[in-house]
Amino acid sequence: EAGVTQFPSHSVIEKGQTVTLRCDPISGHDNLYWYRRVMGKEIKFLLHFVKESKQDESGMPNNRFLAERTGGTYSTLKVQPAELEDSGVYFCASSPPPTRTEAFFGQGTRLTVV
Amino acid sequence: RKEVEQDPGPFNVPEGATVAFNCTYSNSASQSFFWYRQDCRKEPKLLMSVYSSGNEDGRFTAQLNRASQYISLLIRDSKLSDSATYLCVVTRSGNTGKLIFGQGTTLQVKP
Repeated sequence: EAGVTQFPSHSVIEKGQTVTLRCDPISGHDNLYWYRRVMGKEIKFLLHFVKESKQDESGMPNNRFLAERTGGTYSTLKVQPAELEDSGVYFCASSPPPTRTEAFFGQGTRLTVV
Repeated sequence: RKEVEQDPGPFNVPEGATVAFNCTYSNSASQSFFWYRQDCRKEPKLLMSVYSSGNEDGRFTAQLNRASQYISLLIRDSKLSDSATYLCVVTRSGNTGKLIFGQGTTLQVKP
């Protein structure tokens, strides 16, 4: 069975540009989470989808970040315009219902804003 | 203050050694507790859940002390392949599945 896949694995963009990260969860997993690790800091929660609905977006840093999950399958996280402090590793994780079950992580997208 | 605190290390130990990691959490309403393992430039993977009664999985033993808000992980007979970053993770009450991570403790097992 395919795991959680993220694309791209690496992205280097200039400040002010737009970047879109994609996450394909494990098939049948209603729960999809985005997390981010900024260098030197802990992994931090960004938001949680249940199917196509945003359950919790309390971790989104600001309105330059937009997450979508159309149709309740894959998700995208767009950063527009990107700032230097957005650099880090963005992880996606998915889990089947109920939410107590183990979350499986993708390998992450390493974003560098220069 | 971080919600989950860990000593970042690194812990450098010889093969065969026993090593213990500790973690404290500040939110007394925290509900579930885990240790995740993260290899260099890889994704976090669940190592084990942690229960108040203590639980063991092979060479790994995890313990939770709710009164002291303290979680531990003991690794016996360390192997080279145990070298990784160990992440202490909690969830808050409400069962949303949202994970709160510590910064991680780095373990390097040397021959």
